[in-house]
Amino acid sequence: GESVGLHLPTLSVQEGDNSIINCAYSNSASDYFIWYKQESGKGPQFIIDIRSNMDKRQGQRVTVLLNKTVKHLSLQIAATQPGDSAVYFCAEKNYGQNFVFGPGTRLSVLP
Amino acid sequence: EAGVTQFPSHSVIEKGQTVTLRCDPISGHDNLYWYRRVMGKEIKFLLHFVKESKQDESGMPNNRFLAERTGGTYSTLKVQPAELEDSGVYFCASSQMDIGYGYTFGSGTRLTVV
Repeated sequence: GESVGLHLPTLSVQEGDNSIINCAYSNSASDYFIWYKQESGKGPQFIIDIRSNMDKRQGQRVTVLLNKTVKHLSLQIAATQPGDSAVYFCAEKNYGQNFVFGPGTRLSVLP
Repeated sequence: EAGVTQFPSHSVIEKGQTVTLRCDPISGHDNLYWYRRVMGKEIKFLLHFVKESKQDESGMPNNRFLAERTGGTYSTLKVQPAELEDSGVYFCASSQMDIGYGYTFGSGTRLTVV
């Protein structure tokens, strides 16, 4: 699979616990945000998105929170499962521009 | 529906050689994007096609990189001549709309220049 940077932040959680992955974005004008999940050897996979006029959005087992005041985005995964192990990227987008990705966080789910 | 397909999945070439990467987007997706992740760093934007036209190529690192999308279907990204710093994973993505939607990514091409 794809190798990752030596300094990639890592989050280790016990199976069944909740995970919170954080991301600081850079552009206060960004109006659309996505969380992507990347498993080894695969491309980034869309998880959940949120627009700047919202501060929370829920999906199946996942919740994204947006704090525009401090330019912070978080992804909460409920009842983390082994299949959730992957690298998670936040991405921000400004109207008419292209996605800017964060550095990624590796999530390891412990049995 | 079939996803975004990239070929080859891996390529190892010598410095100075030429490599061509191919991306087949999801059928009907007018928007096609190339991104790359070099040396485990952030995934960075390279360029964006709308049909066969280059909408934004601001992320292309230099003139050794040439992207085409003849006919508005599949796209190729040629690196000529390849340098060591070009090593990384090159992702292609496509979407039906550009604004307010996520992209569907391919599995990427891992390029190693030795």
